[in-house]
Amino acid sequence: AQSVTQPDIHITVSEGASLELRCNYSYGATPYLFWYVQSPGQGLQLLLKYFSGDTLVQGIKGFEAEFKRSQSSFNLRKPSVHWSDAAEYFCAVVNYNQGGKLIFGQGTELSVKP
Amino acid sequence: EAQVTQNPRYLITVTGKKLTVTCSQNMNHEYMSWYRQDPGLGLRQIYYSMNVEVTDKGDVPEGYKVSRKEKRNFPLILESPSPNQTSLYFCASSPSRFPSSNQPQHFGDGTRLSIL
Repeated sequence: AQSVTQPDIHITVSEGASLELRCNYSYGATPYLFWYVQSPGQGLQLLLKYFSGDTLVQGIKGFEAEFKRSQSSFNLRKPSVHWSDAAEYFCAVVNYNQGGKLIFGQGTELSVKP
Repeated sequence: EAQVTQNPRYLITVTGKKLTVTCSQNMNHEYMSWYRQDPGLGLRQIYYSMNVEVTDKGDVPEGYKVSRKEKRNFPLILESPSPNQTSLYFCASSPSRFPSSNQPQHFGDGTRLSIL
């Protein structure tokens, strides 16, 4: 069955430090992958997406993600974290065989230390 | 401005009292869906609709109903709410059932339901 795993439930980094959030997927065909961010009390905002082509994807707010088929991973990175990046981050894959459903990981909550 | 609007944003109610959460999109999207978000579980799809009068179950449809009488609206109905339906709910829409590189799903701001 298709699934998405985010191994880290909660991560704390210092402001200015680099960040990597992990995402592993299980999907038989070519996956279409997304990262969403949810700030407290807010909805989901799309950070970036991978459909095909270049495996290093640039997104908004200085984020990037790299698709690695051999590792079934789509990790999110940012070189220098800002306090405003504190939020919950969700990785997702779209399942075209099930009505275009997004399959989400469990989420990773990011805290940023001053 | 393109948006998905959910109402209410917050609701506290009691077991068994029917409620409806509305969802409206202004982008003429064909595809709409409902998700619930629970700690440690991420978001799970409840129902989806590929067009007017076309709806289907997602992963966790028990206890919910939906309707799609108009393209822009996709209400979520809890006929007899129970405490296990306490959750954060999101409505989403996209131009078609196949999110594409240029047309991902748009999400509403969420509705937090508490069923006592």
